[in-house]
Amino acid sequence: DGGITQSPKYLFRKEGQNVTLSCEQNLNHDAMYWYRQDPGQGLRLIYYSQIVNDFQKGDIAEGYSVSREKKESFPLTVTSAQKNPTAFYLCATAPSGRREAFFGQGTRLTVV
Amino acid sequence: SQQGEEDPQALSIQEGENATMNCSYKTSINNLQWYRQNSGRGLVHLILIRSNEREKHSGRLRVTLDTSKKSSSLLITASRAADTASYFCATEAGANSKLTFGKGITLSVRP
Repeated sequence: DGGITQSPKYLFRKEGQNVTLSCEQNLNHDAMYWYRQDPGQGLRLIYYSQIVNDFQKGDIAEGYSVSREKKESFPLTVTSAQKNPTAFYLCATAPSGRREAFFGQGTRLTVV
Repeated sequence: SQQGEEDPQALSIQEGENATMNCSYKTSINNLQWYRQNSGRGLVHLILIRSNEREKHSGRLRVTLDTSKKSSSLLITASRAADTASYFCATEAGANSKLTFGKGITLSVRP
């Protein structure tokens, strides 16, 4: 919200398929984050990036991949290696200087 | 692993009462933040307290930080039904500003 666009809002994937979730921001923020939210699990960090062409694994990176070719964009690919991908995925951005994060409205991914 | 752990997991109070939520964390931090989430939506930032601060206020919110105990508390005074939501603490740590969240607290405020 407020300059962060996640698309699509709902996504259905067949087992064995890769799927890419989009996160675009026009806030000129340096940092971008991807989280996964499951019921009762809170938010778990998948990947994060502080600058273009650089990113770090979070706590649950296995089965996911990201790229940061542009400051505005941080797409997340959920690969077939992710055994339980059904979840609510949240993208966040933050300005440099250790400030608060801003969140998109999320993408709900369901494996069918 | 999740850095922050909130307590209690769920809290139900009457409108007008105060709500106190606690968060404990494991490693040294740059800052600690509290967020709110309404069902099915993204998170909204409430307040940030830096590691060298002990207390901060914002409207009806008061947050404290005790780095020696690695704990924080969020107090919402004079609660309203509209405060019903999930609340998360998050810690930012390290040179790369890794931001990790706890499991959250579900707050219900009864009218």
